[in-house]
Amino acid sequence: DGGITQSPKYLFRKEGQNVTLSCEQNLNHDAMYWYRQDPGQGLRLIYYSQIVNDFQKGDIAEGYSVSREKKESFPLTVTSAQKNPTAFYLCASSHTRIRGWDTEAFFGQGTRLTVV
Amino acid sequence: AQSVSQHNHHVILSEAASLELGCNYSYGGTVNLFWYVQYPGQHLQLLLKYFSGDPLVKGIKGFEAEFIKSKFSFNLRKPSVQWSDTAEYFCAVKGGTGGFKTIFGAGTRLFVKA
Repeated sequence: DGGITQSPKYLFRKEGQNVTLSCEQNLNHDAMYWYRQDPGQGLRLIYYSQIVNDFQKGDIAEGYSVSREKKESFPLTVTSAQKNPTAFYLCASSHTRIRGWDTEAFFGQGTRLTVV
Repeated sequence: AQSVSQHNHHVILSEAASLELGCNYSYGGTVNLFWYVQYPGQHLQLLLKYFSGDPLVKGIKGFEAEFIKSKFSFNLRKPSVQWSDTAEYFCAVKGGTGGFKTIFGAGTRLFVKA
């Protein structure tokens, strides 16, 4: 089955530690995204990538880093510089074209990160 | 920058009531518009989408949305809600000044009383 796999589902981190969230897709999408979901704030874009070895900062990139070494994979690292990392993180992928029927983003199940 | 505004953050309805959730986006041009739904404990899934043609779009579970270009709006409607429609609903836009990124609104939490 085609889809997006995020792991782990739940993650606990001590303050001061970096942690990496995994995201893999087999939909052959060029674009991949990381969003952060907080109550009442919707989905805010952290980083996005249009193509391998290229990525751009979204609206709330501070304290996060990403890599895109393979088309299928877009891991997100939450660094110790992120002041409020406890949140629900969603990975998504899509085609980059704007015109057409199949332009929507597909989402993974999410990773809930808690800093303890 | 492209942005999306959802008018209601929390909506409480009784079963069989009609639903309309407002959504406006900031910039025009060629846009694709979406409504996503997130049921409690489940992942985000697509409810319906518009990219061209008939501005009245029908989606799953009896939902529909109307694209009004002159008002930059894409409101979601359902004639008669059910308890199982309790969820959070997100409006999203792709295109315009946002390019290929999908930009989301803040979401509307709908609670349907049985």
